[in-house]
Amino acid sequence: GEQVEQRPPHLSVREGDSAIIICTYTDSATAYFSWYKQEAGAGLQLLMSVLSNVDRKEEQGLTVLLNKKDKRLSLNLTAAHPGDSAVYFCAVSARDTNTGKLTFGDGTVLTVKP
Amino acid sequence: ETAVFQTPNYHVTQVGNEVSFNCKQTLGHDTMYWYKQDSKKLLKIMFSYNNKQLIVNETVPRRFSPQSSDKAHLNLRIKSVEPEDSAVYLCASSQERYAEQFFGPGTRLTVL
Repeated sequence: GEQVEQRPPHLSVREGDSAIIICTYTDSATAYFSWYKQEAGAGLQLLMSVLSNVDRKEEQGLTVLLNKKDKRLSLNLTAAHPGDSAVYFCAVSARDTNTGKLTFGDGTVLTVKP
Repeated sequence: ETAVFQTPNYHVTQVGNEVSFNCKQTLGHDTMYWYKQDSKKLLKIMFSYNNKQLIVNETVPRRFSPQSSDKAHLNLRIKSVEPEDSAVYLCASSQERYAEQFFGPGTRLTVL
């Protein structure tokens, strides 16, 4: 089945710096890619999602890059601020599973220091 | 704005008891999911329903059983809880099987 590796597990940056989180996946049939943010004690907030026909998507200070050849997905937070401190998860789904179930990375704890 | 609602927020119980968690979505979605998030924050799919029909049943113990009365509701019952069931249970919904999934705030279960 699908395996997703996410790194780094912990990331600390200064306010205004960029933060980059990377996920690699194994299933070449993976067709849906998403990033979630989880603040302390809360559920998962969908940040951005892309389908496999998209290489790059930017929204509100976030950039998602998809490299299908290397099976790599990244999230770049440009100009991070303390409110971005949270746990971030990538989540992917393969169309041939007929279920739509998401396989999650293990999460990255992001700390943004003032 | 919350559109996936879960009750209760927290539940503390003892080994062997039965618990039931509720999930309701007001988005008009066709597919709902239950995920388990353990103490290390790892997330795993448990069940998925599409239009009240079970389409995913991962390898979870038989004491777990999902229940869906209509496509807006998906409940989770645990017949006889064990300590390893302590976790946060997250409900999600999506318009269709490969669309964006929206999550509820979760139910934190503690088994003593």
